[in-house]
Amino acid sequence: AQSVSQHNHHVILSEAASLELGCNYSYGGTVNLFWYVQYPGQHLQLLLKYFSGDPLVKGIKGFEAEFIKSKFSFNLRKPSVQWSDTAEYFCAVNAYGSSNTGKLIFGQGTTLQVKP
Amino acid sequence: DAGVIQSPRHEVTEMGQEVTLRCKPISGHDYLFWYRQTMMRGLELLIYFNNNVPIDDSGMPEDRFSAKMPNASFSTLKIQPSEPRDSAVYFCASTLSSGGNSPLHFGNGTRLTVT
Repeated sequence: AQSVSQHNHHVILSEAASLELGCNYSYGGTVNLFWYVQYPGQHLQLLLKYFSGDPLVKGIKGFEAEFIKSKFSFNLRKPSVQWSDTAEYFCAVNAYGSSNTGKLIFGQGTTLQVKP
Repeated sequence: DAGVIQSPRHEVTEMGQEVTLRCKPISGHDYLFWYRQTMMRGLELLIYFNNNVPIDDSGMPEDRFSAKMPNASFSTLKIQPSEPRDSAVYFCASTLSSGGNSPLHFGNGTRLTVT
């Protein structure tokens, strides 16, 4: 079965610090990868996605993520965080072409707290 | 586009009562998902539908939970009888079928509290 692991459960940073959130998945086939963000009291919103092509994908609000197939990883990065980035971040994987195509599996989430 | 619409936003009920959560997906989307979010377990997939047909309900906790999708524009998640451990935020999401390439669009969730 597919699974997603996010290594950092709670991250605290000061404004302007750089961010990297780890995400690893387990599935041997082709995957589609996503990062979602959930701001306090809100629903999940798509931050960025990877389907194919350039493994470095750029999303909204200055976020980017790099797909490293050999490491089964899809880490999220941002060079300089802002207080408004305080939120919970979820990595998600869809096993493309499997019998469960369309089924999105989420990691446990990482809570990011940015101190002004 | 109104997005995915869930109701109610908040539900407080007593243990043993029946609870029904409702979801209207985005028009034209043919996949619908029910997720449960708790502090302890994060975001768990309960069940999902494709073209109104349940595809995978392996995440449904137990027989007290049931979900239906009578038509393309409406789905319900029912808990009967409810228990305090069911307290969570329940999200509905929908997407277009395209081999899994489409991102999910989430509703605002229903915050359920069972006392």
